[in-house]
Amino acid sequence: AQTVTQSQPEMSVQEAETVTLSCTYDTSESDYYLFWYKQPPSRQMILVIRQEAYKQQNATENRFSVNFQKAAKSFSLKISDSQLGDAAMYFCAYRSAYNNNDMRFGAGTRLTVKP
Amino acid sequence: ETGVTQTPRHLVMGMTNKKSLKCEQHLGHNAMYWYKQSAKKPLELMFVYNFKEQTENNSVPSRFSPECPNSSHLFLHLHTLQPEDSALYLCASSQVGGAYEQYFGPGTRLTVT
Repeated sequence: AQTVTQSQPEMSVQEAETVTLSCTYDTSESDYYLFWYKQPPSRQMILVIRQEAYKQQNATENRFSVNFQKAAKSFSLKISDSQLGDAAMYFCAYRSAYNNNDMRFGAGTRLTVKP
Repeated sequence: ETGVTQTPRHLVMGMTNKKSLKCEQHLGHNAMYWYKQSAKKPLELMFVYNFKEQTENNSVPSRFSPECPNSSHLFLHLHTLQPEDSALYLCASSQVGGAYEQYFGPGTRLTVT
């Protein structure tokens, strides 16, 4: 079974600085999708960024970018110019391209942004 | 309302009670999901419905019973729960296939006493 590991239960960053959240996954499949979700204190989870495994180019969304290393099965999230509103739980998720129903999540990283 | 809504937002129930959680999506999606979120644990996928048909049941105890009457509504019926069932229950919806993401509701905070 695919597993997703987030090794940093908590991270802290100074406002306007850059922070990187780590995620590794275990799979024997060649085609899959990776996601980073954000869950603010209000608890509604929202998508931050996604990456298709067949694409070599790293995805970017404004201040958010990923470092996707397929061979190493690593999918880190970089947040640039951190803002107070970035404070949240961040979850890394994996979904097989062969079984669209099965989304696996990591345990999450709590990000604190210091003013 | 837009997106995915869940009611109630908070629920306290005794172990002998019967209650139901409701989820509604206004996004025209054809897949809906129930997740359990416990502190410091990964989200646990409980049930999946594609086009109103249940396609996944990840070894969930029978005291949890899902119902999907149409593609916009999803229920989770609860009966004779245990204190360890206390958690945040999240509903999500998505299109089926491809790189589509799941859209989540705000969750129901369930406490079993």
